[in-house]
Amino acid sequence: GEQVEQRPPHLSVPEGDSAVIICTYTDSATAYFYWYKQEPGAGLQLLMSVFSNVDRKEEQGLTVLLNKKDKQLSLNLTAAHPGDSAVYFCAVTNAYKVIFGKGTHLHVLP
Amino acid sequence: DAAVTQKPRYLIKMKGQEAEMKCIPEKGHTAVFWYQQKQSKELKFLIYFQNQQPLDQIDMVKERFSAVCPSSSLCSLGIRTCEAEDSALYLCSSSQRQGANTEVFFGKGTRLTVV
Repeated sequence: GEQVEQRPPHLSVPEGDSAVIICTYTDSATAYFYWYKQEPGAGLQLLMSVFSNVDRKEEQGLTVLLNKKDKQLSLNLTAAHPGDSAVYFCAVTNAYKVIFGKGTHLHVLP
Repeated sequence: DAAVTQKPRYLIKMKGQEAEMKCIPEKGHTAVFWYQQKQSKELKFLIYFQNQQPLDQIDMVKERFSAVCPSSSLCSLGIRTCEAEDSALYLCSSSQRQGANTEVFFGKGTRLTVV
């Protein structure tokens, strides 16, 4: 079945720098892609969802790139600030399930 | 914005007690999913309903949980006898229909603590 690999598992960046998280998936038929943010003790906050006909989407300092040829999804936080410190999950919809990556712990250093 | 509602947000049970959490899917959504997440780690799929019928579930759910969707507007996930390992965030999600071309929406979750 579909597998999603997310890297890196931990990421520390100075405030103002960009942070990039990458996920690779296996099923080329995957149609929906998501990035979620989870702060300590909280639920999932949807950052962005993209359909497979989109290669690039930008919103509020976040850029999602979808490379269908390489089956790769990335999230770029430009000019990260301490409030961005959280766990980030990529996810894909495959058949009826949402398959999640294992998460990236992002720490933005003030 | 889509809204999947979960209640309660927090639940504390003693070992051996029964627990129940509820999910109100987004109106018009026919597919409902439950996930378990421990300590901000990866989410584990538990069970999937389509038109109120369970179509897929993991063995743990079959053995120790009770999950139903008595109506299209309400689903519940229960644990018959809580164990410490059940402490987790339980997330419900829904989508308009089955299939890969369908966006999925998540609720805020029920955080269960078993003491």
